Amino acid sequence: GAGVSQSPSNKVTEKGKDVELRCDPISGHTALYWYRQSLGQGLEFLIYFQGNSAPDKSGLPSDRFSAERTGGSVSTLTIQRTQQEDSAVYLCASSASGGSNQPQHFGDGTRLSIL
Amino acid sequence: QKEVEQNSGPLSVPEGAIASLNCTYSDRVSQSFFWYRQYSGKSPELIMSIYSNGDKEDGRFTAQLNKASQYVSLLIRDSQPSDSATYLCAGYTGANSKLTFGKGITLSVRP
Repeated sequence: GAGVSQSPSNKVTEKGKDVELRCDPISGHTALYWYRQSLGQGLEFLIYFQGNSAPDKSGLPSDRFSAERTGGSVSTLTIQRTQQEDSAVYLCASSASGGSNQPQHFGDGTRLSIL
Repeated sequence: QKEVEQNSGPLSVPEGAIASLNCTYSDRVSQSFFWYRQYSGKSPELIMSIYSNGDKEDGRFTAQLNKASQYVSLLIRDSQPSDSATYLCAGYTGANSKLTFGKGITLSVRP
């Protein structure tokens, strides 16, 4: 597709369950980012992938959060043993490269609700 | 000082007026800046990038970067009700190209 694709668009699950969120970046983009946006809050950086380099995981809030990027393209963000405070919109973005002059383009996000 | 700060807002302007949105940044931020527009319930949409001192114009939008004073602004001319949204300022920080966002300014354009 032309843009960043995220699935599912909405996810409702019970506290304690594991969830997987998927991101398919813009074709050819080597850099991929995950952010979280809680209601009425700003964007919180979670993790960054650039090519085959080790990911920058400095924004992951706890060890319940993990992410991988297979084949340098699609990424999955996994949240284990979900808690109510994990409820937020999870946004994925990609850029042509990891350089600091590259704009990032966002997908439509996954709205995660933990009951 | 936070890395990227947007302290003003919310902002309300009448239709047809100029809306001025401001953002300041710290020494830890690199010299590339981006403005995103976010409608309620939607994801951020890139509207402007600016990399060098001065003004950059794109249609009704003008981004201004002043490196000496460490601020970046966005002017919206002939504001329309459809411009009502939250505007996010962002700049890269850190060695690993982390994009840091301000909290955003909510703009309301009154018909």
